[in-house]
Amino acid sequence: RKEVEQDPGPFNVPEGATVAFNCTYSNSASQSFFWYRQDCRKEPKLLMSVYSSGNEDGRFTAQLNRASQYISLLIRDSKLSDSATYLCVGLTGRRALTFGSGTRLQVQP
Amino acid sequence: DAGVTQSPTHLIKTRGQQVTLRCSPKSGHDTVSWYQQALGQGPQFIFQYYEEEERQRGNFPDRFSGHQFPNYSSELNVNALLLGDSALYLCASSETGLGLTHEKLFFGSGTQLSVL
Repeated sequence: RKEVEQDPGPFNVPEGATVAFNCTYSNSASQSFFWYRQDCRKEPKLLMSVYSSGNEDGRFTAQLNRASQYISLLIRDSKLSDSATYLCVGLTGRRALTFGSGTRLQVQP
Repeated sequence: DAGVTQSPTHLIKTRGQQVTLRCSPKSGHDTVSWYQQALGQGPQFIFQYYEEEERQRGNFPDRFSGHQFPNYSSELNVNALLLGDSALYLCASSETGLGLTHEKLFFGSGTQLSVL
C-alpha cells in the first residue's frame, strides 16, 4: 500500500465549478501535509500547507482529518489556469517528502 | 537571485551507461534533495545531502549515488542504467531543518533522462 494515495482522475470540470480532491495517508507518524501543483512535466510548486484547523487561500481550501487520515483540497470558481496535476504530500521525521501520484484536473471552457 | 538550477535539461543514454546530473541550490540553501519522477507518478525521494554527507536515503539501489560539494551544489550519479531509470529527476534545496522551513523548499525544473 502506498503511503499517500490519490484518485488519479482526470477530473473534467467546467469553468466556475467547485471541485474537491481527497487524499489518504497510511503513516500516522506523518507530521505535516501539503498540496503541490505541477504543470505538465515541470517542477512541483507548493500550493498550500494543510492544517487540522483548515487553511484557506483565496479560492483554495485545504483540510486535514487526522482521525480518518485524509487530506482534502477544495477549489472554488475553477479557472482554466487551474488545470494541472495536484500532488498530495506528507512530511515525516525522515525529512523527506512523500508524494502521492497526483490528481489531474482539467478545467474546460 | 537564481533559484535552483539543474543541468542538463535533457539527456539520452543507453542501457548500461552511467550518468551524472548536477544541481545548484538556491542562494542561502545548504540542503539538497533528489527525487525521481516517472511518467504518471509523483516524485519519489532518492536521498538528501547536508554538510557534504548523505543524511537520508529513500528506497533506491546502490546504483544511485550522490555527492555534495563545499559550495552546496550536488551531483546525482546513476550507474548501469536500466530502461526503468527513464524519468524526470528533480533537485530540491532548502535551509537546514526541512521540518521547520518547509515553505522555503524550492524545486529545480529537472533533468529529463531517457534510457534507450
